[in-house]
Amino acid sequence: EPEVTQTPSHQVTQMGQEVILRCVPISNHLYFYWYRQILGQKVEFLVSFYNNEISEKSEIFDDQFSVERPDGSNFTLKIRSTKLEDSAMYFCASSEWDRGNTGELFFGEGSRLTVL
Amino acid sequence: AQSVTQLDSHVSVSEGTPVLLRCNYSSSYSPSLFWYVQHPNKGLQLLLKYTSAATLVKGINGFEAEFKKSETSFHLTKPSAHMSDAAEYFCVGGGSGGGADGLTFGKGTHLIIQP
Repeated sequence: EPEVTQTPSHQVTQMGQEVILRCVPISNHLYFYWYRQILGQKVEFLVSFYNNEISEKSEIFDDQFSVERPDGSNFTLKIRSTKLEDSAMYFCASSEWDRGNTGELFFGEGSRLTVL
Repeated sequence: AQSVTQLDSHVSVSEGTPVLLRCNYSSSYSPSLFWYVQHPNKGLQLLLKYTSAATLVKGINGFEAEFKKSETSFHLTKPSAHMSDAAEYFCVGGGSGGGADGLTFGKGTHLIIQP
């Protein structure tokens, strides 16, 4: 069964460093998403991406964050100058069409980021 | 924007007994609603979804949920719990359609299955 894969599963970094989280969405999917879950808190929407550009983003997704689909298969989340509060589990998801009312999101297993 | 409220942070049931995980939604329009499950160290998996086609929605692993507009509820149920059901369950609200706006997650309910 096709699945969304994420790497790394866990990354530890020093505050101020740049981090890139990678995702390989399901191959025929067109919409891509990043969510995060800070320990003990809700899963929060960060950004959605379609047709090589950002479709929607939350207020969390500020200039520190960027997304890219560099090669037609990977979907990356870059966090510049990480802060302690960026420590969280980051989930990538993809969907076959506009999630709207009917689309199902397929999630990866998450990348745990720990900022020291 | 739609919001969802999961009424219980933890639910504990004995194996073989019914499961009820409660969720209320707040929406001024016809919502799309989902239940996702997260097993330890695993990603989020869709259990079932409501998209106005039928009020009683059947999902995987014997779970089902009933959309009740009069109560603004979308509770998740299963007749008989299994040890493998132990996980975190999220009630999730969707947008009004159009655009790839983000899903809104509830805080989650941790389901504990007692042997």
